[in-house]
Amino acid sequence: AQSVTQLGSHVSVSEGALVLLRCNYSSSVPPYLFWYVQYPNKGLQLLLKYTSAATLVKGINGFEAEFKKSETSFHLTKPSAHMSDAAEYFCAVREGGYQKVTFGTGTKLQVIP
Amino acid sequence: GAGVSQSPSNKVTEKGKDVELRCDPISGHTALYWYRQRLGQGLEFLIYFQGNSAPDKSGLPSDRFSAERTGESVSTLTIQRTQQEDSAVYLCASSPARGRDQPQHFGDGTRLSIL
Repeated sequence: AQSVTQLGSHVSVSEGALVLLRCNYSSSVPPYLFWYVQYPNKGLQLLLKYTSAATLVKGINGFEAEFKKSETSFHLTKPSAHMSDAAEYFCAVREGGYQKVTFGTGTKLQVIP
Repeated sequence: GAGVSQSPSNKVTEKGKDVELRCDPISGHTALYWYRQRLGQGLEFLIYFQGNSAPDKSGLPSDRFSAERTGESVSTLTIQRTQQEDSAVYLCASSPARGRDQPQHFGDGTRLSIL
């Protein structure tokens, strides 16, 4: 069965500092992995996805994530936080030929000016 | 519009009443999902439709919850005899086709409050 664990329900960084949001997954087959962002009162928006083509994936808004099979991780990073990055971030995994997606519990990112 | 549309955006109702939530997916998207997001929590899978296949209802929390979809178009999620614990944001998402690499496109949700 597939599952996702996001470490840290809340993360605070200073504006301009590195953003690191952690995601570990469990999957019985090679997974497809996604990061989504949710702004207040909005639905989720895709940031990036891992589809086995490359282990380092670049997404929108300057975010990127690296797939590490040995660590079963897919952490999200951004070199320099911007105030507009304050939002909630969700990691998600999909396995098999099935379309069901399992989401993590989310990490709220606060950016301090 | 090009995105997933959900209505109403907000719904306040009394305990015990029935509610119906609507989702219009992106045209051509064959897969449609419903999720529940309680305050401060992640997404809880409710139900999944794929084309004309039987839906995956494994996430529906009780028999008070049901959903329908007509072909590859509109879906409605119905909650009967609402309870206060049903208060949440209900999110709908669609995706274009089979394939594990297809991301989901989300609507802005319906915020349901049970008094």
